[in-house]
Amino acid sequence: NAGVMQNPRHLVRRRGQEARLRCSPMKGHSHVYWYRQLPEEGLKFMVYLQKENIIDESGMPKERFSAEFPKEGPSILRIQQVVRGDSAAYFCASSIEMGDTEAFFGQGTRLTVV
Amino acid sequence: AQSVSQHNHHVILSEAASLELGCNYSYGGTVNLFWYVQYPGQHLQLLLKYFSGDPLVKGIKGFEAEFIKSKFSFNLRKPSVQWSDTAEYFCAVNAHSSASKIIFGSGTRLSIRP
Repeated sequence: NAGVMQNPRHLVRRRGQEARLRCSPMKGHSHVYWYRQLPEEGLKFMVYLQKENIIDESGMPKERFSAEFPKEGPSILRIQQVVRGDSAAYFCASSIEMGDTEAFFGQGTRLTVV
Repeated sequence: AQSVSQHNHHVILSEAASLELGCNYSYGGTVNLFWYVQYPGQHLQLLLKYFSGDPLVKGIKGFEAEFIKSKFSFNLRKPSVQWSDTAEYFCAVNAHSSASKIIFGSGTRLSIRP
């Protein structure tokens, strides 16, 4: 049973370009979380999705960031018109259901904006 | 709103020393509690979790944590650390039995001197 798969592992974008980060949850998991980790900081919650639904996006910046988790395929975190401040590690986690269950993390995508 | 505080940002110990990392949370209702570990260059892995029952929880690699409801605390302990325990440790919380995001503390970096 493969774990949570994120790709790419490393992504370099120039300022103003778009970044697309992909997350395939563990088999059977229908809930996905996205977190951002900046150097010397903890994990900041961004968004919590169930298939075809956004459950909680209170941590998402209001502009340029969006996330989806379609019925088929991976969850996508999309950052439009990237700026240097978007450089960070982005982690995805998945869980089997909501509530009393743990989340399993992927290896992360390290985004560097140059 | 839920929040998690980890007061120790960086802890340095010698091998065989005992470890206790503090974690306090803020939430008025019933919570699930977690400790995750992130080894250098790797993704987060679950060390242990508390959902209900015995407040003393035993996890992998000799770690344990005690939930003290009256103190809103979930401190992580290990009686004798090893060099391989060098990592970053994150405490996390989510509201019990609901579609609730998992909130992480800022992390504690643990360095073990051989």
